[in-house]
Amino acid sequence: DAKTTQPPSMDCAEGRAANLPCNHSTISGNEYVYWYRQIHSQGPQYIIHGLKNNETNEMASLIITEDRKSSTLILPHATLRDTAVYYCIVIILGNEKLTFGTGTRLTIIP
Amino acid sequence: DAGITQSPRHKVTETGTPVTLRCHQTENHRYMYWYRQDPGHGLRLIHYSYGVKDTDKGEVSDGYSVSRSKTEDFLLTLESATSSQTSVYFCAISESGRAGANVLTFGAGSRLTVL
Repeated sequence: DAKTTQPPSMDCAEGRAANLPCNHSTISGNEYVYWYRQIHSQGPQYIIHGLKNNETNEMASLIITEDRKSSTLILPHATLRDTAVYYCIVIILGNEKLTFGTGTRLTIIP
Repeated sequence: DAGITQSPRHKVTETGTPVTLRCHQTENHRYMYWYRQDPGHGLRLIHYSYGVKDTDKGEVSDGYSVSRSKTEDFLLTLESATSSQTSVYFCAISESGRAGANVLTFGAGSRLTVL
């Protein structure tokens, strides 16, 4: 599985869009990009995933660059409840060994 | 947490004693996982199961064993607990098939302290 690089921490003002970057320059053609988040002391929560097209659901949007070497998770209107550690994971679909790095700690500022 | 229950939620034990953590699901999902989380390491996969009696090792399986005798239960056993196994343990489940692949639902966690 390709390695990902995320900033260790970010701040975002409440109500603004939070844009969380992830670099995965060695991603291979059959690897998907997954995002999870972990709110303090809880289990991680799945957010979204994609292969090469941009994806949107009720929680977030995922923008993947055309060369697929990086992606951005967008929380359109951040709230205090979005304060969490966000994990970007690159993995072949169906590979059960999902590996979490240390992620980005996002703090939403009132 | 969406039909997944971990027990016990908190446990304090002594070095050398056996410990079993239980994960129970009511979703009838095929895949079940055990992770541990420690400061500075993120979550690390211990073992996972892809069906009854079908299990495989993750990246940190030494010192742990698992069993899955029925779909709904996945047990994690520390045969002889050590202080290095003090951690928060998370169980997760996922469906089989393309839609469920790699979409894990996690339990609330079990905090284990080995003195």
